[in-house]
Amino acid sequence: DAGVIQSPRHEVTEMGQEVTLRCKPISGHNSLFWYRQTMMRGLELLIYFNNNVPIDDSGMPEDRFSAKMPNASFSTLKIQPSEPRDSAVYFCASSSFGTGILEQYFGPGTRLTVT
Amino acid sequence: DAKTTQPNSMESNEEEPVHLPCNHSTISGTDYIHWYRQLPSQGPEYVIHGLTSNVNNRMASLAIAEDRKSSTLILHRATLRDAAVYYCILRDVGAGNMLTFGGGTRLMVKP
Repeated sequence: DAGVIQSPRHEVTEMGQEVTLRCKPISGHNSLFWYRQTMMRGLELLIYFNNNVPIDDSGMPEDRFSAKMPNASFSTLKIQPSEPRDSAVYFCASSSFGTGILEQYFGPGTRLTVT
Repeated sequence: DAKTTQPNSMESNEEEPVHLPCNHSTISGTDYIHWYRQLPSQGPEYVIHGLTSNVNNRMASLAIAEDRKSSTLILHRATLRDAAVYYCILRDVGAGNMLTFGGGTRLMVKP
């Protein structure tokens, strides 16, 4: 199995630009999570989906952030416009909800730098 | 959400056992105890989980106190590759499958 795939691995952009992060979950998993990690705030859950439906987006910092999951094999996290304080590592994770399997599998992350 | 308390850092010698403690005095009856670890420059990875009984797998053992207010992750023989941040997380099965990460314990392994 290829595991959770994230792209790009690194992104450097200027303040005000739109940034789109991509995630392909493990095949057969029906839950997908977006996390953000910074030195100051640690690892924070931004939003998660079950069966492509957003369940909890209370961690999304503000309206500049949006996430979509158009199908079971793809999700995007968009930041528009980006700001320097959005610089962080963004992780995507997937798991199987409702099967009794509790583990989440994380991707390698996207390191975002906004200048 | 019930909270967990872990030491900020611990040190171990290579090839010796490591006991990583976690306090969760407000744990509820439906909370599972999960452990994840994060190696440098990688995403977190699942280590082990349990509810009431002690658990063993190929990576580690989880010892859960009888009152469930604390638990200990045991690495039987630490290697340099085990140097990571270890997170103890409570997960309420009834609240979906989201995880709330705390600060974790940074484990340093000396050769």
